[in-house]
Amino acid sequence: QVQVVQSGGGVVQAGKSLRLSCTGSGFTFGNYGMHWVRQTPGKGLEWVAGLSYDGSNKYYVDSVKGRFTISRDNSQKMVSLQMDSLRGEDTAVYYCAKEGGYRGHLDYWGQGALVAVSS
Amino acid sequence: DVQMTQSPSSLSASVGDRVVITCRANQDIKNFLAWVQVKPGTAPKSLIFAASSRQNGVPSRFSGSGSGTEFTLTITNVQPEDFATYYCQQCGTYPLTFGGGTKVEI
Repeated sequence: QVQVVQSGGGVVQAGKSLRLSCTGSGFTFGNYGMHWVRQTPGKGLEWVAGLSYDGSNKYYVDSVKGRFTISRDNSQKMVSLQMDSLRGEDTAVYYCAKEGGYRGHLDYWGQGALVAVSS
Repeated sequence: DVQMTQSPSSLSASVGDRVVITCRANQDIKNFLAWVQVKPGTAPKSLIFAASSRQNGVPSRFSGSGSGTEFTLTITNVQPEDFATYYCQQCGTYPLTFGGGTKVEI
């Protein structure tokens, strides 16, 4: 069965860096785009970043451009989100999600990882 | 960016009720619309994609409809496990964007 398992997260000071990772199993990892979505405390979902099946196309929400970097290693079935220059407003639960066969459709999600940025 | 607006933001329902959630886009997104269910402490779950196609394993009481700028998610015969927050998401253009969510409560 399809599984998306996340690692990383934690408490970090503002201005510092943190890396999130996620591995996929139960599907041909290198055939699908992967994304990161966050949910801020008490608020809704916000898409953060995504990349194509081969990593050649990367997309970001404006608020993280230049600070966050999404990447993937298909040989390891892993996608990562490098988060630099973290701000308080980046505090959220971050979800990794697999893209389905339909463009932009996030069909399987990871369990989430809390990132808390302290000032 | 495509703005997605959901209504209502919350609603109360009883087991067995029919629930309808509306989502509007501020521009034509054709049928590039998905619905996601979120429960506290669990991974979000995909329900609907392409506006009306059910994800594998999703019960038939969940249905989606609409195209262009107006979409609905209908839950017929609401079950106890359906009490959650539901989000619409446009899938057509980057950045992907979500509605504000609809919390379905008892």
